[in-house]
Amino acid sequence: DQQVKQNSPSLSVQEGRISILNCDYTNSMFDYFLWYKKYPAEGPTFLISISSIKDKNEDGRFTVFLNKSAKHLSLHIVPSQPGDSAVYFCAASFSGSARQLTFGSGTQLTVLP
Amino acid sequence: EAGVTQFPSHSVIEKGQTVTLRCDPISGHDNLYWYRRVMGKEIKFLLHFVKESKQDESGMPNNRFLAERTGGTYSTLKVQPAELEDSGVYFCASRDGGYGYTFGSGTRLTVV
Repeated sequence: DQQVKQNSPSLSVQEGRISILNCDYTNSMFDYFLWYKKYPAEGPTFLISISSIKDKNEDGRFTVFLNKSAKHLSLHIVPSQPGDSAVYFCAASFSGSARQLTFGSGTQLTVLP
Repeated sequence: EAGVTQFPSHSVIEKGQTVTLRCDPISGHDNLYWYRRVMGKEIKFLLHFVKESKQDESGMPNNRFLAERTGGTYSTLKVQPAELEDSGVYFCASRDGGYGYTFGSGTRLTVV
């Protein structure tokens, strides 16, 4: 059973507008969440993360929101740029030495010029 | 610093053959992971090394998969014999003490 779910396989947004990517998780023991961006033929690259003790983390154009009661997190990109077009993966982890990541299935974001 | 290097980048083999994937982590990273993405689905954990020791191999699909990490440096993942369902992209990642994961570009394995 998938513990991290990204229910939108694709999203198209106009350049300059906001992109909102969503992620749901089922395991309440997850305490650290990450977003990765992946271009074709490349590995995932880290984008932004959030600890479960926070509800928001911001880094430039990227903001991640965490709603623990709903077991939901979202990534906001404002303003969206064509170079943001990629597959975005949500991932969750437990604290501790292993820090193995559990990924969602990804959302293909296309930013239209 | 050099990133995580994986090779080959692509491999096409026939069902029943053997394939060995290699990963060179970032120097000094004790933690090394293998993940796999099949058919555009989620990226799934396979196993985790700390130095040369297997910390967790709970994600390995079956005993046709064998991973090693020689002297705590590079790692290999061997599939023997390969089956059609083993096709996918195999990612290696290494990590320092924190959450600083760095992924390689992956090996795309196609079993025909």
